Amino acid sequence: EAGVAQSPRYKIIEKRQSVAFWCNPISGHATLYWYQQILGQGPKLLIQFQNNGVVDDSQLPKDRFSAERLKGVDSTLKIQPAKLEDSAVYLCASSYRGPRGGYNSPLHFGNGTRLTVT
Amino acid sequence: GQNIDQPTEMTATEGAIVQINCTYQTSGFNGLFWYQQHAGEAPTFLSYNVLDGLEEKGRFSSFLSRSKGYSYLLLKELQMKDSASYLCAFNTGGFKTIFGAGTRLFVKA
Repeated sequence: EAGVAQSPRYKIIEKRQSVAFWCNPISGHATLYWYQQILGQGPKLLIQFQNNGVVDDSQLPKDRFSAERLKGVDSTLKIQPAKLEDSAVYLCASSYRGPRGGYNSPLHFGNGTRLTVT
Repeated sequence: GQNIDQPTEMTATEGAIVQINCTYQTSGFNGLFWYQQHAGEAPTFLSYNVLDGLEEKGRFSSFLSRSKGYSYLLLKELQMKDSASYLCAFNTGGFKTIFGAGTRLFVKA
């Protein structure tokens, strides 16, 4: 099966500019996640979608970050305006998990987008 | 609150056995995962435990004690390619997966 696709792989922007990341999950995976991973740290959950509805966005800095999942498939994450501390790898993951369970379904990660804010 | 603790770094010798510990605190729990992450790459799934006990999968085994909030990942017959970060993560109620900071393992010849 095709894996989780993310683009771009790398992005360099200046602070206060805006940036958008795109993710296409594995076909049939209902749950989609965006994680932020700062160098040397574990992934931090930003937002979680179940189909096209938001399940959890408690750690998303909503004053600058936004995300949507169109028709329950592709997703975009946007940062506007970017700050220096947003420099990180942004990982998209998808999972088979759904309302009927599947808690043991692992997360499948894309290769991530490495963002550098200067 | 929710918290995961893992050692920051470990070093082991090729061919040896290493145990990476993880302790966690959470009010809702639906299983514990271990992921491997090589430098510059995405995490990949290694194991899942939801019941107490040991799960063995080739050279890798994972153990869980829910009453103690404790898990470990055991790597046998270490190879150089096992040098990576190992991430402990748990499922809260629902579908939320919380990751620890990871343990960087260095395998030396």
